[in-house]
Amino acid sequence: GENVEQHPSTLSVQEGDSAVIKCTYSDSASNYFPWYKQELGKRPQLIIDIRSNVGEKKDQRIAVTLNKTAKHFSLHITETQPEDSAVYFCAAPPSNTGGFKTIFGAGTRLFVKA
Amino acid sequence: DADVTQTPRNRITKTGKRIMLECSQTKGHDRMYWYRQDPGLGLRLIYYSFDVKDINKGEISDGYSVSRQAQAKFSLSLESAIPNQTALYFCATSDSRPGHSTDTQYFGPGTRLTVL
Repeated sequence: GENVEQHPSTLSVQEGDSAVIKCTYSDSASNYFPWYKQELGKRPQLIIDIRSNVGEKKDQRIAVTLNKTAKHFSLHITETQPEDSAVYFCAAPPSNTGGFKTIFGAGTRLFVKA
Repeated sequence: DADVTQTPRNRITKTGKRIMLECSQTKGHDRMYWYRQDPGLGLRLIYYSFDVKDINKGEISDGYSVSRQAQAKFSLSLESAIPNQTALYFCATSDSRPGHSTDTQYFGPGTRLTVL
């Protein structure tokens, strides 16, 4: 079955710097890769996703890149702000579930220091 | 997202008690899920359901059961709670209906369960 590993588990950056979180997956046929953000005491919410037919997707200060050959995808946050402080989860559904049974990474706790 | 609600939001119970967590959604989505969140372990899938006639086990279903009473309602039960079931539980929905399909999962606010 699908296995998703996420690194680092904790990341601390200075405000204005960039942050990068990386995930690897095991199912080479997986084709959908979302990222969720969970603020303290709140529910996880989708912030960006990418499908396997593209290598990069951007939305303002966040971007996701996908390397299908290496089976990894990364979240990039530029010009970090204190409100970016949260736990970020990557996810990948096994290819034989049609995107239904999502497997989440263990999460990365991002601290942005003002 | 106010369209997915969970009750109760917090619950403290004792070992051996039966507990039910409830989830309701007004999004009209067909798929519903129950996850458990523990520090350092992310979100782990307990059960998921395509519709009222379909129930499937996730990664960690032992000690749990579910009921899909209607398309909008999905309940999680702990038949005999134990301390290592202390965790934050999330319900989620997604939509696979033709013309609406999205892989995005919409989470409820969570239920914090403590088993003493």
